[in-house]
Amino acid sequence: AQKITQTQPGMFVQEKEAVTLDCTYDTSDPSYGLFWYKQPSSGEMIFLIYQGSYDQQNATEGRYSLNFQKARKSANLVISASQLGDSAMYFCAMTPAGSSGSARQLTFGSGTQLTVLP
Amino acid sequence: SAVISQKPSRDICQRGTSLTIQCQVDSQVTMMFWYRQQPGQSLTLIATANQGSEATYESGFVIDKFPISRPNLTFSTLTVSNMSPEDSSIYLCSALRGGSGNTIYFGEGSWLTVV
Repeated sequence: AQKITQTQPGMFVQEKEAVTLDCTYDTSDPSYGLFWYKQPSSGEMIFLIYQGSYDQQNATEGRYSLNFQKARKSANLVISASQLGDSAMYFCAMTPAGSSGSARQLTFGSGTQLTVLP
Repeated sequence: SAVISQKPSRDICQRGTSLTIQCQVDSQVTMMFWYRQQPGQSLTLIATANQGSEATYESGFVIDKFPISRPNLTFSTLTVSNMSPEDSSIYLCSALRGGSGNTIYFGEGSWLTVV
């Protein structure tokens, strides 16, 4: 079984500052994938970034980077130069790797509500 | 990126009725899934929609309550049957395109309110 823990129900950040959203995970699978999604108040789930467990480098996508520490089982999202439009709920999620159907079923954390202050 | 469209985007439904949500992907995908997000909660997987065969349901979800169809590689429907206020949720379709690496995309979600 897989488990995702997000310990920050809410976070505040000043516009243009960087912010780190925490995510820890637990799994017995030897390989897995880690995802971050953004959910604005409209309800859609927007894919932000992906990290594979065997990827040597931390993933980056524009202002988003994933601080992956495998030994600590953490996959924190770093948002640089925060913008007002970044205010949303952020979910960390994971899947086991592999080609079977179950390999793409996402297990989600409880989410962190980020508010960017002007 | 895959474009996933869901209909309806919002609806208010009467208790005891059923509603079918449609999910259309702009290209063929290997896997399609349906998730539920109850108010203030995280997402929970309902089932995997299998093309040409019965869906695979997660614990706590049954076919009689949430019948799913997937007639081809780009389309799926989820029906919420005999609705009660506890079914008020956002229902989200997601898809993985074969060869797209490891990116799983979501539709815009369907907000259902049962009164």
